[in-house]
Amino acid sequence: GAGVSQTPSNKVTEKGKYVELRCDPISGHTALYWYRQSLGQGPEFLIYFQGTGAADDSGLPNDRFFAVRPEGSVSTLKIQRTERGDSAMYLCASSLNRQYNEQFFGPGTRLTVL
Amino acid sequence: LAKTTQPISMDSYEGQEVNITCSHNNIATNDYITWYQQFPSQGPRFIIQGYKTKVTNEVASLFIPADRKSSTLSLPRVSLSDTAVYYCLFSGNTPLVFGKGTRLSVIA
Repeated sequence: GAGVSQTPSNKVTEKGKYVELRCDPISGHTALYWYRQSLGQGPEFLIYFQGTGAADDSGLPNDRFFAVRPEGSVSTLKIQRTERGDSAMYLCASSLNRQYNEQFFGPGTRLTVL
Repeated sequence: LAKTTQPISMDSYEGQEVNITCSHNNIATNDYITWYQQFPSQGPRFIIQGYKTKVTNEVASLFIPADRKSSTLSLPRVSLSDTAVYYCLFSGNTPLVFGKGTRLSVIA
């Protein structure tokens, strides 16, 4: 079956610009997660959705980062006024319901801020 | 946040059994121990999860002692395609916390 998909696979932008990263989870998965991964590091938790609501957004680094999941399926991670330090791989994962469950990761979006 | 400690890197020859041990002194009662594998330019992939004693699936075995302060991932007869980063972490009511993982290099 179809796995988690993320678009775009690569995004290059200029400092100060706004970007949106999209995640399509596995159909039927109510839990959705966003992570950020820098080179040589493990993924860093950003935000967790249960259904349409953000159950835990404690990992968002600052108010330039925002994520939505309006219909409980597709999610968009939005970054305003991008900075060079935002350059990283952004990973999305979904699971059947709660955090005890196996998370299925997408291929990621590599964001480069020039 | 709950923290795990594992070796930074390991080398192994093809066909050998590899054991990666993870320390987690402050694991909570409701935490499960979970291992993920990550290849370059891909998202992590779930390998195995357990609470205590031993769990085995088609890919690996997970050994957890009674005090649950450590766990050991066992990969039988590794091949070159097992070269990857392996993460030990907790899953439960808190967000997944990935450390730097263990970089396993399998040599022919």
